[in-house]
Amino acid sequence: DQQVKQNSPSLSVQEGRISILNCDYTNSMFDYFLWYKKYPAEGPTFLISISSIKDKNEDGRFTVFLNKSAKHLSLHIVPSQPGDSAVYFCAASARGSQGNLIFGKGTKLSVKP
Amino acid sequence: GAGVSQSPSNKVTEKGKDVELRCDPISGHTALYWYRQSLGQGLEFLIYFQGNSAPDKSGLPSDRFSAERTGGSVSTLTIQRTQQEDSAVYLCASSQRGQVTQYFGPGTRLTVL
Repeated sequence: DQQVKQNSPSLSVQEGRISILNCDYTNSMFDYFLWYKKYPAEGPTFLISISSIKDKNEDGRFTVFLNKSAKHLSLHIVPSQPGDSAVYFCAASARGSQGNLIFGKGTKLSVKP
Repeated sequence: GAGVSQSPSNKVTEKGKDVELRCDPISGHTALYWYRQSLGQGLEFLIYFQGNSAPDKSGLPSDRFSAERTGGSVSTLTIQRTQQEDSAVYLCASSQRGQVTQYFGPGTRLTVL
């Protein structure tokens, strides 16, 4: 059973507009969440993270929102740029775990010029 | 660069052969993780090393899979008697002690014919 779900396999956005990538989780023991970006033939690159004690974390064009009651987080990219086109993975870490991350299946973002 | 490196980048093998995949973590990172990504799937945790502690092997899919980490640095993932379902990208990541954020290598694409 998937503990981290990214229900949209793909998303297409116009350059300059906002991209919103969503992620849902089921395990209430998750206390840290991360977003990774992955280009073809490369490993995932860490993008931004959020602790469960916060509901928002911002870094430049990237903002992650966490709604613990809904077990939902989202990544906002604004303004979107063609170079943002990649697969975005949501990952979670559980309190007391060894630190291994549980990943969603990813959402492929295409930003059109 | 000082990132995680993996070798080989690509490996094609015949069913039944053994393969070894190598990972060099970021210098000073005590934790090392192996994941694999099969086509259309998220990253699947395989094994975790932390310092000199016994590894967490809970993600290894069968006893054909094993991993070592020598001297607390370089790690080798070995797959014996490879099967076609072992075809995937094998990713290595490392992190600093006490940190959740993991930094990934470029991966090894394994194809079992």
